[in-house]
Amino acid sequence: NAGVTQTPKFRVLKTGQSMTLLCAQDMNHEYMYWYRQDPGMGLRLIHYSVGEGTTAKGEVPDGYNVSRLKKQNFLLGLESAAPSQTSVYFCASSYPDIGGEKAFFGQGTRLTVV
Amino acid sequence: DAKTTQPNSMESNEEEPVHLPCNHSTISGTDYIHWYRQLPSQGPEYVIHGLTSNVNNRMASLAIAEDRKSSTLILHRATLRDAAVYYCILRGPNTGNQFYFGTGTSLTVIP
Repeated sequence: NAGVTQTPKFRVLKTGQSMTLLCAQDMNHEYMYWYRQDPGMGLRLIHYSVGEGTTAKGEVPDGYNVSRLKKQNFLLGLESAAPSQTSVYFCASSYPDIGGEKAFFGQGTRLTVV
Repeated sequence: DAKTTQPNSMESNEEEPVHLPCNHSTISGTDYIHWYRQLPSQGPEYVIHGLTSNVNNRMASLAIAEDRKSSTLILHRATLRDAAVYYCILRGPNTGNQFYFGTGTSLTVIP
């Protein structure tokens, strides 16, 4: 059981380049999330999805776009990368049961924008 | 967003119990209290959660105050592998059913 898998694990981008981070889960979870974590900080919610074809903004959505075309996949896109987007990105998924269901996290993608 | 307050850091001696506190004075009646931990260079992992009653599992215990405005994560015997950042999170209708992380408590275990 793979759980939550993030691709790629590491990436270096030049300012202005674009890229897509892929998150895949095999637990048939409805909810999926994208977070970023800066050094010494907690995780901040970028975007989330409560089901296939739906997405919503989190705490820090500017500069990112997301898509959930398939239930098992949640894509995070950076159209024009900026140094401020240098961070570790985590994906997570969970069932929608209100409050009582736990989240499962991927191992992270370390992105550096130079 | 429902907020939680935790100490920035704590230390514990190996093989001793650890009590990690969390204040959540704005908790609503339907918010669950979740605890996650993040080991170095890894994604967060679930530890325990509860609503009103104290909870035990193989990893830890969760003690919830009667007024639910605070809770304590209890590690019964700290090991070096328990050194991590521990996050206390509220999840429920008051948080849009999402997981919002604070800065957590960094636990150091001393051999």
